[in-house]
Formats: sequence, C-alpha cells, structure tokens
Amino acid sequence: AIQMTQSPSSLSASIGDRVTITCRASQDIRNDLGWYQQKPGKAPNLLIYAASSLQSGVPSRFSGSGSGTDFTLTISSLQPGDFATYYCLQDYNYPRTFGQGTKLEIK
Amino acid sequence: EVQLVESGGGLVQPGGSLRLSCAASGFTFSSYWMNWVRQAPGKGLEWVANINRDGSEKYSVDSVKGRFTISRDNDKNSLYLQMNSLRAEDTAVYYCARDHGYCTSSNCYDLLDYWGQGTLVTVSS
Repeated sequence: AIQMTQSPSSLSASIGDRVTITCRASQDIRNDLGWYQQKPGKAPNLLIYAASSLQSGVPSRFSGSGSGTDFTLTISSLQPGDFATYYCLQDYNYPRTFGQGTKLEIK
Repeated sequence: EVQLVESGGGLVQPGGSLRLSCAASGFTFSSYWMNWVRQAPGKGLEWVANINRDGSEKYSVDSVKGRFTISRDNDKNSLYLQMNSLRAEDTAVYYCARDHGYCTSSNCYDLLDYWGQGTLVTVSS
C-alpha cells in the first residue's frame, strides 16, 4: 500500500498567518491526491482534488500544489474557522490511503 | 439536498457481527461509487472499502478483507457494510461517503464530496 506521510503532525499559527502542510507519497501518484478538513466531532470536508483543483464552495485562500510524490496544502491567510485537522488522501490506487493528519491550532 | 445517514452502529463483543447502513437521498444514488471510511477514537482517517455503481466492483483495505463486505441496494438508495469477526481494533466511527468521480481527458479522480455524520462501532467484551 502507498504510504502518505504528512508534516508537520501539528502546527500552531495565528489569525492571518500563511501556513503550508506537506504530504509525501511513498511512490509516484501523479496528481491523484485530495485534501480534507475535519473539525472535532464532524465528518471530513473536501477542500482540494486532483492535487490543485479547488472544490466548489471552498474559499480561495485554500490552494494545493504538487505532483509525483510531493504535495502541499497552503492556507494564505488563516481565519478562525480554519483551525482543524487536515488530511491528504491518495486515489492513485487501492487501497486508498490517508496521511496521518495535521492538527492546526491557534497560537 | 444531498444527505447520507448512517445507522446500525453499537456495542458488540469480539468475534461478533454488525451491519451498517447508509441511507442516501437528494441525488441519483445509482450514479455514484460509494465508500466507507472509519476513524478510531482520537486517531486519523482510514479508508475501508468502496463499491461501484451497480455493485459489481468492490475494493477494500487488507485489514478487513474476508471479514467485511460492502454492498448496495440501488432500489432502496442504500449502502451497507456487513462486518463479521469483529476485533477491538475495528472500534471506530464509520462514515459513508459519496464518490463524485471526476474525469479529464487523461485521468479520473475520486472526490469524496458528501459524507454522513458517522455511526460508532464499539467492539468490547
């Protein structure tokens, strides 16, 4: 199975900060990657698909980039509702695999 | 409005069985692949299984192969997960998620664009 490694595991930041989360795949997955946001007690929410395409309704401060093995999720200016846990998910092959998550906390 | 509502979770002893259901509404259920994703308490997300539109194609993670079976009934707009030989490590919130497959000229992508609220399965004696 493809291993997805996210970094950092946790991150403290302030409102207005620019933050970047990284996801590395154990093999080339082209751009078959999505990013999901999850708030406590809630289901995940799709932010980005195909590595860099913004899901409908998601604010433009979220962006994704990368291909092959290295991917990033960037939030350009943190808002209060962005403090959550973020996961990458590869859909290149089966089994689908998530990264371990990055918890974004308020500094 | 798209809605996915899971049910069937609960407390079960190790070695026991449970059948989860996911009732779908607000979209043409038979047009979408569907997924089960789980999350152990305090842990990350784990993809469990998915099924194609007519139920003829299924995939699952190795840890549940031979124990869990995904199925669907398009007439009832419902997705199921039959879980047998349950283990303590299967304890988790189980989510169903719609897969809005998106294809370009060169590739297809999974978009898990709608999720249910989850149902908790606890495996304990």
